[in-house]
Amino acid sequence: DVKVTQSSRYLVKRTGEKVFLECVQDMDHENMFWYRQDPGLGLRLIYFSYDVKMKEKGDIPEGYSVSREKKERFSLILESASTNQTSMYLCASSLWERGGGELFFGEGSRLTVL
Amino acid sequence: QQPVQSPQAVILREGEDAVINCSSSKALYSVHWYRQKHGEAPVFLMILLKGGEQKGHDKISASFNEKKQQSSLYLTASQLSYSGTYFCGTEGRTDKLIFGTGTRLQVFP
Repeated sequence: DVKVTQSSRYLVKRTGEKVFLECVQDMDHENMFWYRQDPGLGLRLIYFSYDVKMKEKGDIPEGYSVSREKKERFSLILESASTNQTSMYLCASSLWERGGGELFFGEGSRLTVL
Repeated sequence: QQPVQSPQAVILREGEDAVINCSSSKALYSVHWYRQKHGEAPVFLMILLKGGEQKGHDKISASFNEKKQQSSLYLTASQLSYSGTYFCGTEGRTDKLIFGTGTRLQVFP
């Protein structure tokens, strides 16, 4: 079975802390994505990556960075967490395919910043 | 820019039909549809490509009007299992998949 695994389902952090959200996929997919989900705002793209060590900004990259050192792993980093980054974070992966391959999502990481 | 979905919410009884619309202000190459049940990850339903090709679900149909940059998802003879939030995602020249704000569908017995 296809699997995208996010390391933590629930995290509680304090303002100013550095936060790492890890995502691993076992499908040998080229593409990986980080989305943020908030009520009424849908899924908003933070960053994506088409290959190892490659990254592209999405629509809301401010306050976030990413790392992709290996094909199967894509990390989202909050250098200094703030309360407005309290949200559900979803990782996804897909095959490289023009027109878009099917996205496979992880179960999400719910982050609360106090 | 996020695509706009309408309606924001739909309430149905089992067996009724529904249409969910998705429109974009930019030229599109493809439209994706996903469904997310409460507390779960979004799940792929369908991709519609420029030129008419479709890939996806057998029991759900959709249309893609390239000239109007619009797509519609058709849910016929709805079942309780159809309940959830439906998201459309649009892809233009930049290859980024941008999702809409979602349509919440509730099906009652």
